[in-house]
Amino acid sequence: GQQLNQSPQSMFIQEGEDVSMNCTSSSIFNTWLWYKQEPGEGPVLLIALYKAGELTSNGRLTAQFGITRKDSFLNISASIPSDVGIYFCAGPDSGTYKYIFGTGTRLKVLA
Amino acid sequence: IAGITQAPTSQILAAGRRMTLRCTQDMRHNAMYWYRQDLGLGLRLIHYSNTAGTTGKGEVPDGYSVSRANTDDFPLTLASAVPSQTSVYFCASSEEGSSDTGELFFGEGSRLTVL
Repeated sequence: GQQLNQSPQSMFIQEGEDVSMNCTSSSIFNTWLWYKQEPGEGPVLLIALYKAGELTSNGRLTAQFGITRKDSFLNISASIPSDVGIYFCAGPDSGTYKYIFGTGTRLKVLA
Repeated sequence: IAGITQAPTSQILAAGRRMTLRCTQDMRHNAMYWYRQDLGLGLRLIHYSNTAGTTGKGEVPDGYSVSRANTDDFPLTLASAVPSQTSVYFCASSEEGSSDTGELFFGEGSRLTVL
C-alpha cells in the first residue's frame, strides 16, 4: 500500500529560526493534510491542500502541494516555544479512501 | 465548538474486562474512524464506518468491535481486554468516506491501560 515518508524525523532549533519539513509518497495524492500533535493531545489539523502547486498559509505556517502530487512541504517561520510538538502529514488513499499518515517530525524549539 | 468528543479520557482496566470507548461527533460527518497510537508505530486504523449502518475493518481489528447506529456515534468495544491493547485511542471523522479528498478531524483521545 501507499506510504508517506516524512523528513526530518526530528529537529532541534533556536527560537526565531525557520523550519522546513516534507512528505513524499510513492503514489499520487489528491489531498495533503498537515497536523500538529502535542503530548497528551489529539492531532490538530493545521492546513489542508487540494490542488497541485497550491500554496496555503495559516499564520506562520505555509504548506505546499507538490506539482507531481507525490509530495508536500510545511514551513514554519520565526519559530516560538509553543511550536514544539510532532508534525505529520496525511492524505486519503485514493484506492481505499482510508487515510495514510507520515511518520512525523518531532520539533523542539530552544528558547 | 465540540467537534469530536471521546470518553473516557483515561481508564485503567483489568485484563479480561469488557470496555467501550465512546465517540460522538457533531459535524454530521458521514465517515468515522478508530485509530490506536503506539510509540514507534504511529496511527493504525482499527475500524471505520463510511456511513451510518456500515462498518469495515482496518489494519488491526482483532479484539475490537464497532457499531454505527446513527451518524453521530461510533463506539469501540473491547470484548475481553488484553495488555497488548494498552494504547491511546483516537476517534476521527471526515465528511465523506468514499472520497479521495477531504479533511480528517480527531478527538482528544482515550488513554487505556490494561493490567
